[in-house]
Amino acid sequence: DAGVIQSPRHEVTEMGQEVTLRCKPISGHDYLFWYRQTMMRGLELLIYFNNNVPIDDSGMPEDRFSAKMPNASFSTLKIQPSEPRDSAVYFCASSPRQGEKLFFGSGTQLSVL
Amino acid sequence: QKEVEQNSGPLSVPEGAIASLNCTYSDRGSQSFFWYRQYSGKSPELIMFIYSNGDKEDGRFTAQLNKASQYVSLLIRDSQPSDSATYLCAAGLSGGSYIPTFGRGTSLIVHP
Repeated sequence: DAGVIQSPRHEVTEMGQEVTLRCKPISGHDYLFWYRQTMMRGLELLIYFNNNVPIDDSGMPEDRFSAKMPNASFSTLKIQPSEPRDSAVYFCASSPRQGEKLFFGSGTQLSVL
Repeated sequence: QKEVEQNSGPLSVPEGAIASLNCTYSDRGSQSFFWYRQYSGKSPELIMFIYSNGDKEDGRFTAQLNKASQYVSLLIRDSQPSDSATYLCAAGLSGGSYIPTFGRGTSLIVHP
């Protein structure tokens, strides 16, 4: 398996623009997580899905953030409109079952100017 | 609010020494604990997990769990420069609602 695949690897955009991050989890994994990592706050859980259903989105910072998982092999995290404080590395991770290890994608480095 | 606390470091040890990384957690319901290693510019990767009180050894790595004290540690024996990375501690529940919570990580530097 190719592992968790994220795209793009790097995204540079201007404030106010819409940003869409994409993730393909490992086939057969029931859980998908979106994390954001910054120096100040570390690795923060934004939202996670179980069998394509959002279970907990309490970590989503505000209404500008939304996430979807239309099928078992694809998820998106959208920021609209983007702001400079959204600049961070966004990781997608998947897990076969709850309580087990997370497999992380390579991350998306987002810079909002 | 579930929290996982780690000393940010950096922790600097000489090559060949034992590196000791520590972590405390606030949620007494946490039952599964993980140590992830993250090299600069890379994604976290799991190196150890532990569910039961006591020690768990895997090669040069030993994870220690003390649920009464809500304390988890990672020992790295015979530290190598290639062990230089940030080590993230994570705590989660093994049943029910599972939300893995990560500490901010401890930076380890192993110098030759």
